[in-house]
Amino acid sequence: DIQMTQSPSSLSASVGDRVTITCRASQRIINYLNWYQQKPGKAPKLLIYAASRLQSGVPSRFSGSGSGTDFNFTISSLQPEDFATYYCQQSYSTPLYTFGQGTKLEIK
Amino acid sequence: EVQLVQSGAEVKKTGESLKISCKGSGYSFTSYWIGWVRQMPGKGLEWMGIIYPGDSDTRYSPSFQGQVTISADKSISTAYLQWSSLKASDTAMYYCVRRVVVGGTPCWLDPWGQGTPVTVSS
Repeated sequence: DIQMTQSPSSLSASVGDRVTITCRASQRIINYLNWYQQKPGKAPKLLIYAASRLQSGVPSRFSGSGSGTDFNFTISSLQPEDFATYYCQQSYSTPLYTFGQGTKLEIK
Repeated sequence: EVQLVQSGAEVKKTGESLKISCKGSGYSFTSYWIGWVRQMPGKGLEWMGIIYPGDSDTRYSPSFQGQVTISADKSISTAYLQWSSLKASDTAMYYCVRRVVVGGTPCWLDPWGQGTPVTVSS
């Protein structure tokens, strides 16, 4: 199985901050990496697919980068509605997809 | 609008059977794989398995092989997740999700169902 390791597992930040979350794959996955946002009591929502492509309707303050084994997810200027848990997910090992353990983004 | 609508909350006893559902609408149900994801209380997302409703080709994550059964009825655009004998450790939220792939791009998961909470007690 491909293991996905996210860091940090939690993060405190303020509105307007720039934040970056890292996801590392246990083997090379090219750009087969997606990012999701989950708010409490809600289903996950796709934000970024294929490592860097912004899903339709998602604000441009969200971005993704990376290839191979190391990937970043960035929010350029945090908004109040962005406080949530974020997950990376590899889609290289079809159909045995795996998720990172999640990063909880909290208000400082 | 593409939607996946899941069946409602379930409260069961250990040893009982259960089948939860996920109904797709707004797209060709037989043309996209549907996956299932578990989220235990306060924990992260775990991939369980996936089915192609067009021909019922089904794949399971090793952790869930033999523990659950995934099926689909394409005539009513519905996928299912079932247990023959529930355990307390099956208490979790279960999500269905559509796998999307366009051309040669990597695939992604969208949209997600609203989730079905399952509570199992003795």
